[in-house]
Amino acid sequence: GQSLEQPSEVTAVEGAIVQINCTYQTSGFYGLSWYQQHDGGAPTFLSYNALDGLEETGRFSSFLSRSDSYGYLLLQELQMKDSASYFCAVRDGYSGAGSYQLTFGKGTKLSVIP
Amino acid sequence: EAGVVQSPRYKIIEKKQPVAFWCNPISGHNTLYWYRQNLGQGPELLIRYENEEAVDDSQLPKDRFSAERLKGVDSTLKIQPAELGDSAVYLCASSLSPTMYEQYFGPGTRLTVT
Repeated sequence: GQSLEQPSEVTAVEGAIVQINCTYQTSGFYGLSWYQQHDGGAPTFLSYNALDGLEETGRFSSFLSRSDSYGYLLLQELQMKDSASYFCAVRDGYSGAGSYQLTFGKGTKLSVIP
Repeated sequence: EAGVVQSPRYKIIEKKQPVAFWCNPISGHNTLYWYRQNLGQGPELLIRYENEEAVDDSQLPKDRFSAERLKGVDSTLKIQPAELGDSAVYLCASSLSPTMYEQYFGPGTRLTVT
């Protein structure tokens, strides 16, 4: 089965940098995604890493190390609107019924304070 | 471009009653997903459609849940009869194809079973 671990809560100051870690144990792995979800809102896609290394998109960056089964989301120049839950999700690549399924972690609630 | 549309946004029913949720995916998206999200958890896949075919329903509780996607566009998820444990947010998502790693989520239907 699939298992993902991420911190349940993180608090950071506006303008600062925060890193949200994700470790995973999966029987198949094709990539790691990150989604943002504001309270009462829809999850929205942030980034995807299939290969080792850092992917940068504006203030957000995501990193993957396949050998360590580890990734993180880095948020820079934090803004109040970044207060939300952040989910890592593993994409497995099994053929058959499990193909391309996303398994989500339990999420990290980020609170940005003034 | 319109996003994924879901209705209703909120539903309160008594246990043992039936309930149905409707989803209209983004135009042209052949892959449609239904997820359930419990409070404080990440989304969990219930069923995935490729066009009108359910290709992964292994996590759908088939004794009380059913789904359909007529004509490969809109989809309906039904619960009959509902149980207290079914209280959750039911999310619909779509993507161009199962190989696309980005999924687009709707705002969800928050179901409360009393």
